[in-house]
Amino acid sequence: DIAMTQTPLSLPVTLGQPASISCKSDQSLVHRDGNIYLSWLHQRPGQPPRLLIYKVSNRLSGVPDRFSGSGAGTDFTLRISRVEAEDVGIYYCMQATQFPVTFGGGTTVDIK
Amino acid sequence: QVLLQESGPGLVKPSETLSLTCTVSGGSLNTYYWSWIRQVPGKGLEWIGFIYYIGNTNYNPSLKSRVTISMDKSRNQFSLNLYSVTDADTAVYYCARHRVGVWATWGQGTRVIVSS
Repeated sequence: DIAMTQTPLSLPVTLGQPASISCKSDQSLVHRDGNIYLSWLHQRPGQPPRLLIYKVSNRLSGVPDRFSGSGAGTDFTLRISRVEAEDVGIYYCMQATQFPVTFGGGTTVDIK
Repeated sequence: QVLLQESGPGLVKPSETLSLTCTVSGGSLNTYYWSWIRQVPGKGLEWIGFIYYIGNTNYNPSLKSRVTISMDKSRNQFSLNLYSVTDADTAVYYCARHRVGVWATWGQGTRVIVSS
């Protein structure tokens, strides 16, 4: 199984300031078809996870453009350009390049 | 807009079978992959397995010996059976629809407690 490691575990942020979450895999996430199936999900308390970013850097329709994803190979980053109150919750990276699908342990974002 | 809704018993006894159903509304089971994922309280996410619309399945090796996922296109439902459960199977169970690399649609989740 591909192990996904997120840092930090907890991220207190100031409203309006940027935030960044790292996700590293222990194997390359480049699929044999050339795509990288790395996604970012956001989960609020009591809610299901919601897809924000897929294939490293593609925002799902309706996701605010303050969210962006980048990375290659084994190192990936989710950035929020200006944190808003609704952005609190837990962020997960997820790989679907190789089955079984695996998730990072999560990063909890809250407001300072 | 496609909506997914999980249903099933909220309490299952140890050694018995956990059976959940995901009902799809606003779309059909034709095309897409259909997965089950679970989340142990206060912990992360674990993918259980999927069924593809043509019937192929793929299970997490960690659960493969105890899992069956099936679908009933006439009812627009797909189901999870997890056999011989223990308290370690206590979790919120989600169903999800996805295509390759795009896990865009999730159900609200259903909480299952394993306890005698």
